[in-house]
Amino acid sequence: DAKTTQPPSMDCAEGRAANLPCNHSTISGNEYVYWYRQIHSQGPQYIIHGLKNNETNEMASLIITEDRKSSTLILPHATLRDTAVYYCIVRVAEFGNEKLTFGTGTRLTIIP
Amino acid sequence: DGGITQSPKYLFRKEGQNVTLSCEQNLNHDAMYWYRQDPGQGLRLIYYSQIVNDFQKGDIAEGYSVSREKKESFPLTVTSAQKNPTAFYLCASSPSVGGNQPQHFGDGTRLSIL
Repeated sequence: DAKTTQPPSMDCAEGRAANLPCNHSTISGNEYVYWYRQIHSQGPQYIIHGLKNNETNEMASLIITEDRKSSTLILPHATLRDTAVYYCIVRVAEFGNEKLTFGTGTRLTIIP
Repeated sequence: DGGITQSPKYLFRKEGQNVTLSCEQNLNHDAMYWYRQDPGQGLRLIYYSQIVNDFQKGDIAEGYSVSREKKESFPLTVTSAQKNPTAFYLCASSPSVGGNQPQHFGDGTRLSIL
């Protein structure tokens, strides 16, 4: 699976959009991009995933560049409950490649 | 509500003792997984199961054992052979193994050695 690079920390004002970048310059054509977040002492929470098209769900939007070498997770109206560590993961969805490889992620702090 | 339930939330083990961590899901998912998370680190896969009565070793299976007698249950036993068992243990499930559907996690069990 391709390696990902994320900034270690970010701040965002409450009510504003939080834009979390992820670099995955070695991604291959059959690798999906997944985003999870983890609040302290809880299990990771799935947010969104995509292959090449932009995706949106009730939690967030995922913007993947045309060359697929980077992506951005957008939380449209950040609240204090969005404070967490956010992980960008790249994974080939195939049998035998079951593990999710979490890096160090981005610690997002929402400022009141 | 559908979800993954792990119990207990906190568990203490004496030296030389086996302990079993519970994981139950009511999502009707075929695949289940166990991960270990150490402070400041990512997740490492211990075992996974794609179907009842079948399971596969992950990257760090030594000192652990699992069973999958029912679709909804995937208990993990931390044996005395696991020399460094103190960690945060996470159970996950997904509709199937090998697909692109995401894994969903429980809230974890924190295991400590007395």
